[in-house]
Amino acid sequence: GNSVTQMEGPVTLSEEAFLTINCTYTATGYPSLFWYVQYPGEGLQLLLKATKADDKGSNKGFEATYRKETTSFHLEKGSVQVSDSAVYFCALSDLGGSQGNLIFGKGTKLSVKP
Amino acid sequence: NAGVTQTPKFRVLKTGQSMTLLCAQDMNHEYMYWYRQDPGMGLRLIHYSVGEGTTAKGEVPDGYNVSRLKKQNFLLGLESAAPSQTSVYFCASSQGRQGNYGYTFGSGTRLTVV
Repeated sequence: GNSVTQMEGPVTLSEEAFLTINCTYTATGYPSLFWYVQYPGEGLQLLLKATKADDKGSNKGFEATYRKETTSFHLEKGSVQVSDSAVYFCALSDLGGSQGNLIFGKGTKLSVKP
Repeated sequence: NAGVTQTPKFRVLKTGQSMTLLCAQDMNHEYMYWYRQDPGMGLRLIHYSVGEGTTAKGEVPDGYNVSRLKKQNFLLGLESAAPSQTSVYFCASSQGRQGNYGYTFGSGTRLTVV
């Protein structure tokens, strides 16, 4: 079945460091791919998305490119801030499911130190 | 701009007690979902609904029931709570199939069963 694998955390970085959180997927067809962010004590918020191969999603300085050849959707940011500390979830649309619900990775916790 | 509202935010139940979690959305979304979030497990789909009067099982439906009597509301019921149901529950809504839309999440309900 469809699945998402993301790097295990926690990831601890210093402010202004470069961030990469790896995400790979297994899917039939051509799913849409998403990154969600969860700040402490809150629900998940959509960070960015890409709906077809080679698309690049971007938002708030974060970027991810839909790579069909490597089945990946890695999240990157050039210079992280303390306010980026959160849990990040990679997800894909389950086109094989009856109603296309999202399948989530297990999440990667990011801590940014001043 | 309420979005998705979950009530209650916190609850402690004794084993065997019952309760209902309420999810309300004001975006006229057709699709609604209930997920549970557990450490190291990511988000797992419990039940979902593709419109008023419809419900369907997700990945982990046992021990839960749902109802969607009104388009804007999606209720999650626990008839006889068990400690294994201690979790954070998230409701989400969407305009439609996930190829082009993301979810809007509520802020969650933290449930402890003792």
